[in-house]
Amino acid sequence: DTGVSQNPRHKITKRGQNVTFRCDPISEHNRLYWYRQTLGQGPEFLTYFQNEAQLEKSRLLSDRFSAERPKGSFSTLEIQRTEQGDSAMYLCASSLLSTGDTEAFFGQGTRLTVV
Amino acid sequence: DAKTTQPNSMESNEEEPVHLPCNHSTISGTDYIHWYRQLPSQGPEYVIHGLTSNVNNRMASLAIAEDRKSSTLILHRATLRDAAVYYCILRDGNTDKLIFGTGTRLQVFP
Repeated sequence: DTGVSQNPRHKITKRGQNVTFRCDPISEHNRLYWYRQTLGQGPEFLTYFQNEAQLEKSRLLSDRFSAERPKGSFSTLEIQRTEQGDSAMYLCASSLLSTGDTEAFFGQGTRLTVV
Repeated sequence: DAKTTQPNSMESNEEEPVHLPCNHSTISGTDYIHWYRQLPSQGPEYVIHGLTSNVNNRMASLAIAEDRKSSTLILHRATLRDAAVYYCILRDGNTDKLIFGTGTRLQVFP
């Protein structure tokens, strides 16, 4: 296993278009997290899954955002009707289910630019 | 969500020890203290974590105050490759969420 993989690494889209990002976590990891990071800021939590169940969504996740994790494997994050404010790095992380005593592994991220 | 406070930036010379402080006065009994670092254009990378006792690994040491309201990440000999943003995070024992702050930007000079 080579770690958490995110695709694409870069995406440029026109305002109003829909985009979808994919995250492939480490295979045995039950928990999967999505974060958004803008320049100079730390990653902001968006949502997380335990297996296929989406357990929490941040208030940052507007109705234009949707995430899925079918069959508890890979996950997708879709942004509909993109806006310039959506430009950011989108990070995915995975970890084993625990009580806080395990490390999370992050992907390299997908950098979205909305023009 | 529990919060942490870190200095915005710190500087070090190569091969010197670096002590990165973090305050987390609202920590709860089940929160683990995690440290991650992020190099430019990369995702965060795990460094170390602990609950109550001091911890050592190949990358760093973590010193945790007795009351757990603060901790210090220790890089024993800084290298140029250690230049990064270091995040101190309290990992929620129920959700395992990592809630990031703004971190400390460490500069290492040759």
